[in-house]
Amino acid sequence: EPEVTQTPSHQVTQMGQEVILRCVPISNHLYFYWYRQILGQKVEFLVSFYNNEISEKSEIFDDQFSVERPDGSNFTLKIRSTKLEDSAMYFCASRPMQLAPSTDTQYFGPGTRLTVL
Amino acid sequence: AQSVAQPEDQVNVAEGNPLTVKCTYSVSGNPYLFWYVQYPNRGLQFLLKYITGDNLVKGSYGFEAEFNKSQTSFHLKKPSALVSDSALYFCAVRDGAAGNKLTFGGGTRVLVKP
Repeated sequence: EPEVTQTPSHQVTQMGQEVILRCVPISNHLYFYWYRQILGQKVEFLVSFYNNEISEKSEIFDDQFSVERPDGSNFTLKIRSTKLEDSAMYFCASRPMQLAPSTDTQYFGPGTRLTVL
Repeated sequence: AQSVAQPEDQVNVAEGNPLTVKCTYSVSGNPYLFWYVQYPNRGLQFLLKYITGDNLVKGSYGFEAEFNKSQTSFHLKKPSALVSDSALYFCAVRDGAAGNKLTFGGGTRVLVKP
């Protein structure tokens, strides 16, 4: 069964450094998402992406964050200058475009644990 | 705004007994409701969803959930729990009338004892 994959599984970085988290969505999916989960807290929506542009973003997704689909398979989240509070598990998700109820499901990757020191 | 509440941080149940994980929601439009499960060091795995149709939906691994519009609830159930069901369970809602982000509850840890 197709799965969303994410790399790396764990990223350690120094405060102020740039990080890029990578995701390979399921191949026939057209909607892509990033969520994050700070340790002990809820899973929070960051951004959704469709047709090469952001379709929705949360107040968390400020100018330090950006997303890109550089080729036909990868979907990336970039944090330009990491802060301590960016330490979290980051989940990528994807969904088919068809809006029928049977396909209205977001499938999540295993996550990247980001640790900012 | 949409929100989800999972009132129990942890549910303990003996193997073979029924399992219920509670979830209530709030949305402006039609609710699209989902349950996900997270095993240690793993991602969120989709269990089941309610979009429209029958209020009782059946999903993976013998789980089911009942949509109750009047009580704005979507409780997850399993008639006979297994030790392997021990995990973190998340309820999520999407407002069918506005956007496509999921809003998650805080999660409920299920511990099934042999």
